[in-house]
Amino acid sequence: DTEVTQTPKHLVMGMTNKKSLKCEQHMGHRAMYWYKQKAKKPPELMFVYSYEKLSINESVPSRFSPECPNSSLLNLHLHALQPEDSALYLCASSVRRGGTDTQYFGPGTRLTVL
Amino acid sequence: KQEVTQIPAALSVPEGENLVLNCSFTDSAIYNLQWFRQDPGKGLTSLLLIQSSQREQTSGRLNASLDKSSGRSTLYIAASQPGDSATYLCAAADNYGQNFVFGPGTRLSVLP
Repeated sequence: DTEVTQTPKHLVMGMTNKKSLKCEQHMGHRAMYWYKQKAKKPPELMFVYSYEKLSINESVPSRFSPECPNSSLLNLHLHALQPEDSALYLCASSVRRGGTDTQYFGPGTRLTVL
Repeated sequence: KQEVTQIPAALSVPEGENLVLNCSFTDSAIYNLQWFRQDPGKGLTSLLLIQSSQREQTSGRLNASLDKSSGRSTLYIAASQPGDSATYLCAAADNYGQNFVFGPGTRLSVLP
């Protein structure tokens, strides 16, 4: 198994909803990431969960919260989102070889906030 | 703070042409530089990764070079095909390759 899977593929939610995005990998990678990508823009790093330590991009609002139940799974909990949060959310995992990490990306979840 | 730029922003070429995409980064203290391909509305596919100690990497018709001192990387695509049409993103990584900063991408169209 050499892939990162993300569910759901598409999600439409209201501003008062609570939902979660799921990311899973079975490659034994010890680091996982969440990125946000707006249309025609590059991905922006939101969170890194590496060797059981969470790093947060300080610009990410608290209505996004990551959770790592185990080393294969990284969830992104969504609460009270705004329409401007609509974007493609990409998950990645990485393995360290030769002193550097190589990242592998999932297909993304297309989120629309109404 | 690392900043990554890519030129051109868009490129349209006839099938069969060789082409070069450019990536520049401001902080030369990188661990690696990675090139990705992204089809519309899809995730990223890794094409080539160049570690900071390397000068180039090759995979099939793709060749990527890295010049850390000048803060530049190029992606060379030989004998382009319509299936190569996509957005190509470069990303410079620090923190052992975990902190990625992406460039804005080059949108490539290869015309049959």
